[in-house]
Amino acid sequence: KNQVEQSPQSLIILEGKNCTLQCNYTVSPFSNLRWYKQDTGRGPVSLTIMTFSENTKSNGRYTATLDADTKQSSLHITASQLSDSASYICVVSAKGAGSYQLTFGKGTKLSVIP
Amino acid sequence: NAGVTQTPKFQVLKTGQSMTLQCAQDMNHNSMYWYRQDPGMGLRLIYYSASEGTTDKGEVPNGYNVSRLNKREFSLRLESAAPSQTSVYFCASSEGGTVLSYEQYFGPGTRLTVT
Repeated sequence: KNQVEQSPQSLIILEGKNCTLQCNYTVSPFSNLRWYKQDTGRGPVSLTIMTFSENTKSNGRYTATLDADTKQSSLHITASQLSDSASYICVVSAKGAGSYQLTFGKGTKLSVIP
Repeated sequence: NAGVTQTPKFQVLKTGQSMTLQCAQDMNHNSMYWYRQDPGMGLRLIYYSASEGTTDKGEVPNGYNVSRLNKREFSLRLESAAPSQTSVYFCASSEGGTVLSYEQYFGPGTRLTVT
């Protein structure tokens, strides 16, 4: 069964500090991996999408890495801001019959405090 | 552009009542999706429509029906609501399928409570 596991479940950091969120997946055959940001009470918003051949992708202060061999990804947030407080969701797409279906992780809830 | 819009934002139903959740997108996307999000769980796909005129079941379709009214609109119907359907429902759209790395755009969600 395809699965996406994220760690930690929650994280509190001081404003201005960096942090790294982890994602491990067992989705096969792998197509692409996405990171979403979901503010409280809102829909998810895409941060990055990475395919098999990409191992790093940046979007402003957000940098995602992908190791397709170990089936791990990380999301690094640099110089955190209060507005970074949100849930970050790792999502993996598989090739094949379920080509319109995604496997979502449960998310990491990040709180940035002053 | 409004992106993906959903109505209503909030709804309370009694067990056995029916209702339709509405979704519309103005990005000329081919594919549309309905998800539910429950506490402590990842988003789960209920139904999707790869293109106008087609619909397919996702991971948790039982108790729901959908209609792809036209390219813009994709509705989700609960025929006889049950407390287990209490959830936040998100509609999403994308230019194409997820294998091809098309970005999915989500609506703001509908918070449904069934008592």
